Amino acid sequence: AQKITQTQPGMFVQEKEAVTLDCTYDTSDPSYGLFWYKQPSSGEMIFLIYQGSYDQQNATEGRYSLNFQKARKSANLVISASQLGDSAMYFCAHSGNTPLVFGKGTRLSVIA
Amino acid sequence: SQTIHQWPATLVQPVGSPLSLECTVEGTSNPNLYWYRQAAGRGLQLLFYSVGIGQISSEVPQNLSASRPQDRQFILSSKKLLLSDSGFYLCAWSGAGRMAFTDTQYFGPGTRLTVL
Repeated sequence: AQKITQTQPGMFVQEKEAVTLDCTYDTSDPSYGLFWYKQPSSGEMIFLIYQGSYDQQNATEGRYSLNFQKARKSANLVISASQLGDSAMYFCAHSGNTPLVFGKGTRLSVIA
Repeated sequence: SQTIHQWPATLVQPVGSPLSLECTVEGTSNPNLYWYRQAAGRGLQLLFYSVGIGQISSEVPQNLSASRPQDRQFILSSKKLLLSDSGFYLCAWSGAGRMAFTDTQYFGPGTRLTVL
Protein backbone atom coordinates (compact mmCIF):
# COMPACT_ATOMS: atom_id res chain seq x y z
CA ALA A 1 0.00 0.00 0.00
CA GLN A 2 1.08 3.53 -0.63
CA LYS A 3 2.56 5.47 2.24
CA ILE A 4 3.43 9.14 2.56
CA THR A 5 5.82 10.37 5.23
CA GLN A 6 6.17 14.00 6.30
CA THR A 7 8.79 14.07 9.04
CA GLN A 8 8.45 17.74 10.02
CA PRO A 9 5.41 18.33 12.26
CA GLY A 10 6.17 22.05 12.37
CA MET A 11 8.43 24.51 10.61
CA PHE A 12 9.24 28.19 11.09
CA VAL A 13 10.51 30.50 8.38
CA GLN A 14 11.31 34.17 8.25
CA GLU A 15 9.23 36.27 5.91
CA LYS A 16 10.83 36.57 2.43
CA GLU A 17 13.02 33.53 3.02
CA ALA A 18 12.68 30.18 1.21
CA VAL A 19 11.58 27.01 2.98
CA THR A 20 11.58 23.31 2.07
CA LEU A 21 8.92 20.93 3.32
CA ASP A 22 9.93 17.29 3.17
CA CYS A 23 7.92 14.40 1.75
CA THR A 24 8.90 10.82 1.06
CA TYR A 25 6.66 8.16 -0.41
CA ASP A 26 6.52 4.42 -0.81
CA THR A 27 4.66 2.92 -3.74
CA SER A 28 4.62 -0.06 -6.07
CA ASP A 29 2.48 1.66 -8.70
CA PRO A 30 4.32 1.95 -12.04
CA SER A 31 2.71 5.32 -12.73
CA TYR A 32 1.69 7.78 -10.06
CA GLY A 33 1.18 11.38 -9.14
CA LEU A 34 2.44 13.45 -6.25
CA PHE A 35 0.53 16.45 -4.94
CA TRP A 36 0.89 19.21 -2.41
CA TYR A 37 -2.09 20.88 -0.77
CA LYS A 38 -2.31 23.85 1.57
CA GLN A 39 -4.86 23.95 4.38
CA PRO A 40 -5.26 27.33 6.10
CA SER A 41 -7.09 27.67 9.40
CA SER A 42 -10.40 27.96 7.52
CA GLY A 43 -10.08 24.27 6.65
CA GLU A 44 -10.31 24.39 2.88
CA MET A 45 -7.84 22.23 0.98
CA ILE A 46 -6.09 24.25 -1.71
CA PHE A 47 -4.25 22.47 -4.50
CA LEU A 48 -0.73 23.85 -4.97
CA ILE A 49 1.31 21.70 -7.30
CA TYR A 50 1.46 18.33 -9.07
CA GLN A 51 4.30 16.10 -10.24
CA GLY A 52 3.77 13.07 -12.45
CA SER A 53 6.10 10.13 -12.00
CA TYR A 54 7.20 10.26 -15.63
CA ASP A 55 7.67 14.02 -15.78
CA GLN A 56 11.26 14.80 -16.70
CA GLN A 57 11.31 18.24 -15.13
CA ASN A 58 10.44 19.37 -11.64
CA ALA A 59 7.05 21.06 -11.43
CA THR A 60 6.82 24.77 -10.70
CA GLU A 61 3.80 27.00 -9.97
CA GLY A 62 4.67 30.57 -9.14
CA ARG A 63 6.51 30.60 -5.80
CA TYR A 64 6.03 26.84 -5.40
CA SER A 65 8.36 24.24 -6.83
CA LEU A 66 8.58 20.53 -6.29
CA ASN A 67 12.00 18.94 -5.85
CA PHE A 68 11.29 15.47 -7.25
CA GLN A 69 13.93 12.81 -6.72
CA LYS A 70 12.42 9.60 -8.04
CA ALA A 71 15.23 7.26 -7.05
CA ARG A 72 15.07 8.53 -3.48
CA LYS A 73 11.25 8.58 -3.55
CA SER A 74 11.11 12.11 -2.32
CA ALA A 75 8.93 15.02 -3.43
CA ASN A 76 9.84 18.05 -1.36
CA LEU A 77 7.94 21.32 -1.68
CA VAL A 78 9.97 24.50 -1.92
CA ILE A 79 8.27 27.81 -1.19
CA SER A 80 10.31 30.82 -2.22
CA ALA A 81 9.97 34.32 -0.78
CA SER A 82 7.67 33.25 2.07
CA GLN A 83 4.72 35.48 2.91
CA LEU A 84 2.69 35.75 6.11
CA GLY A 85 -0.25 34.25 4.21
CA ASP A 86 1.74 31.07 3.67
CA SER A 87 1.22 30.12 7.32
CA ALA A 88 -0.89 26.95 7.14
CA MET A 89 -0.81 23.16 7.19
CA TYR A 90 0.79 21.58 4.13
CA PHE A 91 -0.05 18.07 3.01
CA CYS A 92 1.81 15.85 0.59
CA ALA A 93 -0.27 13.21 -1.19
CA HIS A 94 0.21 10.31 -3.61
CA SER A 95 -2.13 8.67 -6.08
CA GLY A 96 -1.71 5.88 -8.59
CA ASN A 97 -3.94 2.86 -8.95
CA THR A 98 -5.85 4.11 -5.92
CA PRO A 99 -7.06 7.57 -4.91
CA LEU A 100 -5.06 10.07 -2.91
CA VAL A 101 -3.21 8.97 0.19
CA PHE A 102 -2.15 11.88 2.39
CA GLY A 103 0.72 12.41 4.76
CA LYS A 104 0.13 13.74 8.27
CA GLY A 105 1.09 17.26 7.27
CA THR A 106 3.56 19.97 8.26
CA ARG A 107 2.47 23.16 9.99
CA LEU A 108 4.36 26.10 8.53
CA SER A 109 4.56 29.34 10.46
CA VAL A 110 5.93 32.43 8.72
CA ILE A 111 7.47 35.00 11.06
CA ALA A 112 7.52 38.70 10.26
CA SER B 1 -15.55 26.65 -14.41
CA GLN B 2 -16.13 23.85 -11.94
CA THR B 3 -17.37 24.43 -8.43
CA ILE B 4 -18.05 22.07 -5.57
CA HIS B 5 -20.52 22.69 -2.77
CA GLN B 6 -20.99 21.05 0.59
CA TRP B 7 -23.66 21.50 3.19
CA PRO B 8 -24.16 22.03 5.93
CA ALA B 9 -21.01 23.93 6.85
CA THR B 10 -21.26 22.98 10.51
CA LEU B 11 -23.37 20.43 12.35
CA VAL B 12 -23.80 19.43 15.98
CA GLN B 13 -25.57 16.12 16.47
CA PRO B 14 -26.28 13.87 19.49
CA VAL B 15 -24.87 10.37 19.67
CA GLY B 16 -27.22 7.89 18.02
CA SER B 17 -28.80 10.40 15.66
CA PRO B 18 -28.75 10.01 11.85
CA LEU B 19 -26.50 11.96 9.51
CA SER B 20 -26.75 13.18 5.96
CA LEU B 21 -24.05 15.33 4.36
CA GLU B 22 -24.42 16.44 0.78
CA CYS B 23 -21.90 17.32 -1.88
CA THR B 24 -22.65 18.60 -5.38
CA VAL B 25 -20.38 19.50 -8.25
CA GLU B 26 -21.12 21.96 -11.04
CA GLY B 27 -19.47 22.50 -14.39
CA THR B 28 -18.28 18.97 -15.13
CA SER B 29 -19.78 15.63 -16.13
CA ASN B 30 -19.15 12.14 -14.77
CA PRO B 31 -16.53 13.19 -12.24
CA ASN B 32 -14.91 10.89 -9.73
CA LEU B 33 -16.19 11.85 -6.29
CA TYR B 34 -14.56 11.32 -2.91
CA TRP B 35 -15.38 11.65 0.80
CA TYR B 36 -12.59 12.26 3.31
CA ARG B 37 -12.58 12.73 7.07
CA GLN B 38 -10.04 14.73 9.00
CA ALA B 39 -9.84 14.31 12.76
CA ALA B 40 -8.63 17.32 14.73
CA GLY B 41 -4.96 18.02 13.98
CA ARG B 42 -4.64 15.01 11.71
CA GLY B 43 -4.29 14.18 8.02
CA LEU B 44 -7.09 13.20 5.66
CA GLN B 45 -8.53 9.71 5.64
CA LEU B 46 -10.31 8.52 2.49
CA LEU B 47 -13.73 7.12 3.38
CA PHE B 48 -15.48 6.48 0.05
CA TYR B 49 -15.01 7.12 -3.62
CA SER B 50 -17.24 6.78 -6.65
CA VAL B 51 -16.36 6.53 -10.34
CA GLY B 52 -20.00 6.65 -11.48
CA ILE B 53 -23.66 6.72 -10.48
CA GLY B 54 -24.42 3.93 -8.03
CA GLN B 55 -20.76 2.85 -7.87
CA ILE B 56 -19.37 3.25 -4.37
CA SER B 57 -16.07 1.95 -3.03
CA SER B 58 -15.49 1.90 0.72
CA GLU B 59 -12.01 2.32 2.09
CA VAL B 60 -12.68 2.05 5.80
CA PRO B 61 -15.33 -0.22 7.38
CA GLN B 62 -17.45 1.83 9.77
CA ASN B 63 -20.96 2.96 10.49
CA LEU B 64 -20.94 5.44 7.61
CA SER B 65 -22.27 4.85 4.10
CA ALA B 66 -22.21 6.80 0.86
CA SER B 67 -24.53 7.07 -2.11
CA ARG B 68 -24.41 8.71 -5.51
CA PRO B 69 -28.00 9.13 -6.68
CA GLN B 70 -27.09 11.55 -9.48
CA ASP B 71 -24.00 12.12 -11.59
CA ARG B 72 -22.81 15.14 -9.64
CA GLN B 73 -24.25 14.42 -6.21
CA PHE B 74 -22.52 12.49 -3.45
CA ILE B 75 -24.11 11.87 -0.06
CA LEU B 76 -22.52 10.67 3.16
CA SER B 77 -24.89 9.07 5.67
CA SER B 78 -25.09 7.34 8.98
CA LYS B 79 -28.04 5.71 10.75
CA LYS B 80 -26.55 6.20 14.23
CA LEU B 81 -23.68 8.56 14.92
CA LEU B 82 -20.84 7.69 17.30
CA LEU B 83 -18.66 10.10 19.25
CA SER B 84 -15.75 8.98 17.07
CA ASP B 85 -17.56 10.28 13.97
CA SER B 86 -16.73 13.85 14.97
CA GLY B 87 -14.40 15.55 12.52
CA PHE B 88 -14.08 17.64 9.40
CA TYR B 89 -15.63 16.02 6.34
CA LEU B 90 -14.37 16.99 2.94
CA CYS B 91 -15.78 16.12 -0.45
CA ALA B 92 -13.60 16.24 -3.56
CA TRP B 93 -13.91 15.67 -7.29
CA SER B 94 -11.48 14.75 -10.04
CA GLY B 95 -11.56 13.64 -13.65
CA ALA B 96 -13.48 10.54 -14.69
CA GLY B 97 -12.59 6.89 -14.26
CA ARG B 98 -9.99 4.81 -12.44
CA MET B 99 -7.30 6.07 -14.78
CA ALA B 100 -8.01 9.53 -13.42
CA PHE B 101 -6.90 8.80 -9.87
CA THR B 102 -3.72 10.68 -10.76
CA ASP B 103 -5.78 13.70 -11.79
CA THR B 104 -5.82 16.61 -9.40
CA GLN B 105 -8.57 16.47 -6.80
CA TYR B 106 -10.43 19.65 -5.96
CA PHE B 107 -12.01 19.96 -2.57
CA GLY B 108 -15.19 21.49 -1.26
CA PRO B 109 -15.30 23.82 1.76
CA GLY B 110 -16.00 20.97 4.18
CA THR B 111 -18.49 20.19 6.94
CA ARG B 112 -17.42 20.37 10.57
CA LEU B 113 -19.33 17.70 12.50
CA THR B 114 -19.44 17.54 16.27
CA VAL B 115 -21.11 14.55 17.89
CA LEU B 116 -22.02 15.08 21.55
